[in-house]
This record gives sequence, C-alpha cells and structure tokens, in this order.
Amino acid sequence: QQQVKQSPQSLIVQKGGIPIINCAYENTAFDYFPWYQQFPGKGPALLIAIRPDVSEKKEGRFTISFNKSAKQFSLHIMDSQPGDSATYFCAAALGGSNYKLTFGKGTLLTVNP
Amino acid sequence: ETGVTQSPTHLIKTRGQQVTLRCSSQSGHNTVSWYQQALGQGPQFIFQYYREEENGRGNFPPRFSGLQFPNYSSELNVNALELDDSALYLCASSLGGTAGNTIYFGEGSWLTVV
Repeated sequence: QQQVKQSPQSLIVQKGGIPIINCAYENTAFDYFPWYQQFPGKGPALLIAIRPDVSEKKEGRFTISFNKSAKQFSLHIMDSQPGDSATYFCAAALGGSNYKLTFGKGTLLTVNP
Repeated sequence: ETGVTQSPTHLIKTRGQQVTLRCSSQSGHNTVSWYQQALGQGPQFIFQYYREEENGRGNFPPRFSGLQFPNYSSELNVNALELDDSALYLCASSLGGTAGNTIYFGEGSWLTVV
C-alpha cells in the first residue's frame, strides 16, 4: 500500500519557470511533511517541511502549500535554476517517538538553461 | 556535508552471502535510522535505533538486523542476500526520535547482489 503518492514522475522546465510537484497522502495521522532533494550519488537533503496546522510555508525560493481537507501538499520552486535539477521526494511522518519517514516515489526535475 | 558517514560506499556480494554496512551519525545525534532505496524509487524505512534500542521497524524480514553502539554509530546487517536486496542503503541521524527533528542522511552504501 503506497501511503504517499507523488506526481509527476518527471518534469522539465525552462530556467525561471515555476515547477510544481504534488503529493497526496492517505493516513490522516501523519503530522509532519518534509520535502527532500537528492542529487545523483548523494543522500537526500531536507529542503523544507510543514506541519498540518499551516497552509503555506516559504523558505527562499521553495514554497510548500498544504491542503489538509484534500490530504494533499505541493512544492513550488520559484525562479528555477539549472542547479535545481535533481530528484525531489515528498515524505510524511507520524509524530511521537517512533518516527519514520514514508517517501513518495520521487520526481526527476530538469531545469533547462 | 551532513556529518553522517557511511562505509563502504560500494560493494558487490553474491546471493546467499551476508553483508555489514556501517554508519557514523552526526556528532551528538542519538537516533539512527536505516532506509533502503531501490533504483528509481523513494527510500523505504527499515528500522530506527534510539539510544541503542530498536525503536520501530518497517516491513522488512528478520534477516535485516541492526545494532547501535554507545557512541551512537550503527551497523546494518543483512543475511542470506537476495538479488532484490540490491539497492542504495541510507543511514540517517537525528537528535531524538520525534518528528520535526531534522533528519540528516549520509551518502549511502551501494549494494549489488549478483
């Protein structure tokens, strides 16, 4: 059972464009939603995260939009740059001491110059 | 750099063999989690160790086992290797096991089973 569904699988934009990656979750007990960026040969790195009591969070060029009723959240990358080309993963976690991340399958983003 | 180091970076094993992967967590972090990332997939949670005790396990068989040492470094052991065990194994460390504490990933150990 895939608890976090991510789309699209791949995405190509031009420099300066605003790629949007979407995720949907099933478990309403999830209460922490991070996004990770992964470059080839590297481990995932935390970009930005949100809690369900907030509808939007911005950090630099990265924005998470969160819709609790629809059980969906999305990542927007403003003014995208070729250096943003990477695989992006959404994830969700339950609170409490038993903390595991459930990841989506990833989106390969290519930003053309 | 996340301060999480893993070894070895690449290894090749034969089906049926056993493998041990090692992880040094970021300084001061008392929680280590292990994830398996198959090619083209998101990481999947294997288990977590908090202060040397297993603190949660994903949907992996018992031939996947682990240890955490007093210095909070950790090992992942996989027995009776199968071809499907070929993947990137990621170690992640955090301070505490609670959601919201930033999790830092290492660069992983690539395991190929032939």
